[in-house]
Amino acid sequence: AQRVTQPEKLLSVFKGAPVELKCNYSYSGSPELFWYVQYSRQRLQLLLRHISRESIKGFTADLNKGETSFHLKKPFAQEEDSAMYYCALRANAGKSTFGDGTTLTVKP
Amino acid sequence: GAVVSQHPSRVICKSGTSVKIECRSLDFQATTMFWYRQFPKQSLMLMATSNEGSKATYEQGVEKDKFLINHASLTLSTLTVTSAHPEDSSFYICSAQGNPRGTDTQYFGPGTRLTVL
Repeated sequence: AQRVTQPEKLLSVFKGAPVELKCNYSYSGSPELFWYVQYSRQRLQLLLRHISRESIKGFTADLNKGETSFHLKKPFAQEEDSAMYYCALRANAGKSTFGDGTTLTVKP
Repeated sequence: GAVVSQHPSRVICKSGTSVKIECRSLDFQATTMFWYRQFPKQSLMLMATSNEGSKATYEQGVEKDKFLINHASLTLSTLTVTSAHPEDSSFYICSAQGNPRGTDTQYFGPGTRLTVL
C-alpha cells in the first residue's frame, strides 16, 4: 500500500523567510514523487516532480529515500506563494496518492 | 497547452436523479483519465482510473454501479452519478494523463461541485 503524509495542515511564515513543507511517504517500490499547488480559486497544477530535479518558482524538493521524505523548500517565501500544497506519490498503473495538503500563508 | 475542462462546473439536483459530468482534454490525447472526489478541507480521494476503450478500474469502496465511468475517446471521459443522494454531494475532479510534451504529466480539470438536495 502507498501512503503520503503531510504532517502540517497549516503553515504560516513571513515574507522573505525560508519555508519547508514536509512530506513523508511509504511505498515498497520505487516511487515517483510530485508536489502540486492549488492557488485560491484555481485548479490543481503540477509544481515539480522529483525526476526532473528542477527548481520551479524558487521551490526545490529532494527525494530522500533513506528518510522516505520529499520535503518542499524555498529559501525566501513570497506572498504569492500562499496556496494549498499537495504532495503526491505515483506508483502502480499511474495511480497517484495524495497527502492531505498543507495550507501555506505568507504574511507581509 | 495541456488544458483539461470539466462540465458542468456546478450542478444542483434532486435526490434520485442522475448527473453526468464530462471531462475533456482539449489539446492533447489522454491515455488515462482519473476521477477524484474531494471533501471540504480534505485531500483528493481517487475514485477510479479509466483508459480509453476499456472498463474503468475502481478503488476499493467505490460503487461501480453508482459511479458510472465511460471513456469513449482519448479526449473525453464521463462520470455519471446514478440515483444521486445527499451524501453524494461533493467536489469531483478529473485529471488527464498524457504526453503532450514528453512528460507524461497529470493535468487537472477545474472540478465540478455537485449538490444533491
